[in-house]
Amino acid sequence: DIVMTQSPLSLPVTPGEPASISCRSSQSLLHSNGNNYLDWYLQRPGHSPQILIYLASNRASGVPDRFSGSGSGTDFTLKISRVEAEDVGVYYCMQALEPPTTFGGGTKVEIK
Amino acid sequence: EVQLVESGGGLVQPGGSLRLSCAVSGFTISGHWMHWVRQAPGKGLVWVSRISSDGSTTTYADSVRGRFTISRDNAKNTVYLQMNNLGAEDTATYYCARLNAVAGPVWGQGTLVTVSS
Repeated sequence: DIVMTQSPLSLPVTPGEPASISCRSSQSLLHSNGNNYLDWYLQRPGHSPQILIYLASNRASGVPDRFSGSGSGTDFTLKISRVEAEDVGVYYCMQALEPPTTFGGGTKVEIK
Repeated sequence: EVQLVESGGGLVQPGGSLRLSCAVSGFTISGHWMHWVRQAPGKGLVWVSRISSDGSTTTYADSVRGRFTISRDNAKNTVYLQMNNLGAEDTATYYCARLNAVAGPVWGQGTLVTVSS
């Protein structure tokens, strides 16, 4: 199975400041079609996960442009340009290259 | 509006069985692989199972293989998860989801399964 490792586990942030989360996979997520099968989700407290970024760098519909994804192969990053209070929750990366689908352990973002 | 509504969760004794349902509206599941993902209380997301669009292919996590069975009724636009021989480690909120990134991932609100005597 592909192992997904996120860091940090916890990320205290100041509103208006940038934030960054790292996700590494145990094997490359780059498909022969040129896509990296890596998605980012945010799970707000008491809610289901919601998609933020798909295929490593594509912002999902309705997601604010302060969220961006980058990376290729085994190293990926989610960046929030200016954190807002509504961004608190747990962020997960997920690989969809091959079964079983696997998730990172999560990064809890909270306001300082 | 796209909606996935899970049902069938509840309290069950160790060794018992439950059948979860996921009723979908807003899109036709016949064109999509569908998944179940679970989350133990206070823990992260763990993929459980998936089923192909026509139901011919199913895949399971090692932890549930042989005990859980995923199925679908495209006519009813519903996905199921039959869970047998449940143990305390299966206590979790179970989410039904379409995970295809390009089509647009969609998750249900989840249904809580508690295995306890």
